[in-house]
Amino acid sequence: EDKVVQSPLSLVVHEGDTVTLNCSYEVTNFRSLLWYKQEKKAPTFLFMLTSSGIEKKSGRLSSILDKKELSSILNITATQTGDSAIYLCAVSDGSGNTGKLIFGQGTTLQVKP
Amino acid sequence: NAGVMQNPRHLVRRRGQEARLRCSPMKGHSHVYWYRQLPEEGLKFMVYLQKENIIDESGMPKERFSAEFPKEGPSILRIQQVVRGDSAAYFCASSLLAVANTGELFFGEGSRLTVL
Repeated sequence: EDKVVQSPLSLVVHEGDTVTLNCSYEVTNFRSLLWYKQEKKAPTFLFMLTSSGIEKKSGRLSSILDKKELSSILNITATQTGDSAIYLCAVSDGSGNTGKLIFGQGTTLQVKP
Repeated sequence: NAGVMQNPRHLVRRRGQEARLRCSPMKGHSHVYWYRQLPEEGLKFMVYLQKENIIDESGMPKERFSAEFPKEGPSILRIQQVVRGDSAAYFCASSLLAVANTGELFFGEGSRLTVL
């Protein structure tokens, strides 16, 4: 069965710290890996990764995919309280156009002032 | 992403009643997806629809659950004879192209169903 596993499940840090969130996957027909940020409302798209070793950056957030290790990391540097959220990792099933994303259980990040 | 509109935001039903959740995708999007999020769990795919067609319903329970996306109007997820285990947040998402091509979904804020 296809699955996505994230670690840690929860994390508490202080402002200014750097965090690394992990995502590993087992998917029969991998197409891409996506990261979303979920605050109290809708998940919002962060990154889509399809190629190994190419880092995607957006401000203080960056992510990279390792297809050999079937994993990805999401880094957040100089964390702020506004980074507190659930970070979701998902893998896109490339079989046909099903549009089916397989989500991990999420990492809950709390950034304390 | 406020573009995907879901209603109601909160719905309370008693066991055996019906729940109808509505989703209006972002303007111009013809691909709609429904996901369910149970407490302490990740989002689980339920169904993928394009206008008037169900493309993939592999994640939707065979009984009591149905979904539609008519030519006019919002997509509707319908749960008949609700049970306590149906209590969850139901998220709708839309995309301009099939996710397999772009990878990006735009989510609504979810409808939280509570079954008493």
